[in-house]
This record gives sequence, structure tokens and C-alpha cells, in this order.
Amino acid sequence: KAGVTQTPRYLIKTRGQQVTLSCSPISGHRSVSWYQQTPGQGLQFLFEYFSETQRNKGNFPGRFSGRQFSNSRSEMNVSTLELGDSALYLCASSPGTSGSGEQYFGPGTRLTVT
Amino acid sequence: AQTVTQSQPEMSVQEAETVTLSCTYDTSESDYYLFWYKQPPSRQMILVIRQEAYKQQNATENRFSVNFQKAAKSFSLKISDSQLGDAAMYFCAYRINTGTASKLTFGTGTRLQVTL
Repeated sequence: KAGVTQTPRYLIKTRGQQVTLSCSPISGHRSVSWYQQTPGQGLQFLFEYFSETQRNKGNFPGRFSGRQFSNSRSEMNVSTLELGDSALYLCASSPGTSGSGEQYFGPGTRLTVT
Repeated sequence: AQTVTQSQPEMSVQEAETVTLSCTYDTSESDYYLFWYKQPPSRQMILVIRQEAYKQQNATENRFSVNFQKAAKSFSLKISDSQLGDAAMYFCAYRINTGTASKLTFGTGTRLQVTL
């Protein structure tokens, strides 16, 4: 099976702009989770989508949003970018059902806000 | 709230030697998963090994094994016969075992250096 893919791999944006990141999960996986990785805060959970519905949400401001499509692909949007949003954004795929513990990560999108 | 603590920011091991990375966690749940993930420099995070809390037997994957002490809430990773390719950041992670809670809680990571 193909792994988790994320596009684009690198992005440079200016403060105040918005950005959309995309994630395609492993075929058959219905859950997509998003994480932010920074040197200062480490890996933090943003949100999870399952069957086109947000199922869990982390402690991030409303500028961070997402959605999931019927083919399980997910997008994450950040509006009004701030310098502190510079990070590696990882998405992780899993079947999403009870008993399926592990998540499989994509290569990430490195976002730089200037 | 669940927390995961990795007290060793950096570790070093010689090639072919054995190294143990430490992880402790705090939870009031009884049914959960624990994981070790490896993130090589500028590369993708990959799952190394997983442990289900209700299983007493320690998980093993080739050169990687864990020492799971549920009562002590300790979950260490042992890497045997270390190889240069083992150099990476290693993250310990926790996840409650329900079908509706996919959130992984990560530790701060341990950077493992492998020397010749």
C-alpha cells in the first residue's frame, strides 16, 4: 500500500496570509490526525477527522481548521498566519476504529512564516 | 490529563552496543497503547514498536524491545546491536484505547547518536 502523502512539502508564507495543507491517508484508513511540531513545543495534536467529521480537537486557536473529504483526504487551513505558526505539520493516518492503535505519519509540510 | 516524560534529551551509543531509552507516563486509564516512534533527521516519522497495556508480555521487533512496567508507568526502549541507521530522534507516545480517541500524546524526544 502507498503510504501517507502530504503536499506541499515546503511552504513560505507571509504574516497575515492563509495557507492550506493537504494529506492523503493510506488506502482504507478513515482517520486523519494533524500534529504541529516545533522545537519549543514539541509535537502537539491539532485535530482528528473521521468519516468527514471532526472527532477530536486539540488546544489551538480557531485560526486552525480542517476538513475531510469523502475519499478520506484531509486538508488543514491556517488563516491570518503568525510567525509562531512556523512549524512542521504532520498528518497521521489510521483505520480509526477501536483496537487499531498505531498511526502512520506522512513526511510533513514545513511551513515558514516570514 | 495524560503526560509523557522522556528525561534523556540526548543519548550516545557505539555501533553494535546496546542502549536503553527511558519513558514514563501518567494516566488514570487502564486500557491504552504505548508507542516508540523514530524520526531520522529531515525524514519521516516511523513506528518502531507498540505495546498494548493489557498485554503483560513485552513487545519485541527484531533489535528493538521494550520493558513495560505498568504499575510503575514506565516504558523503556532497548536497542540491541546498534547501527548507524538508528541515529534519530525517538519519541515515546501514549494513546488511550477507544475507537474515538486517536490523539497521540508525545514525550519531548531523545536524540540518539550512534558512533563508530
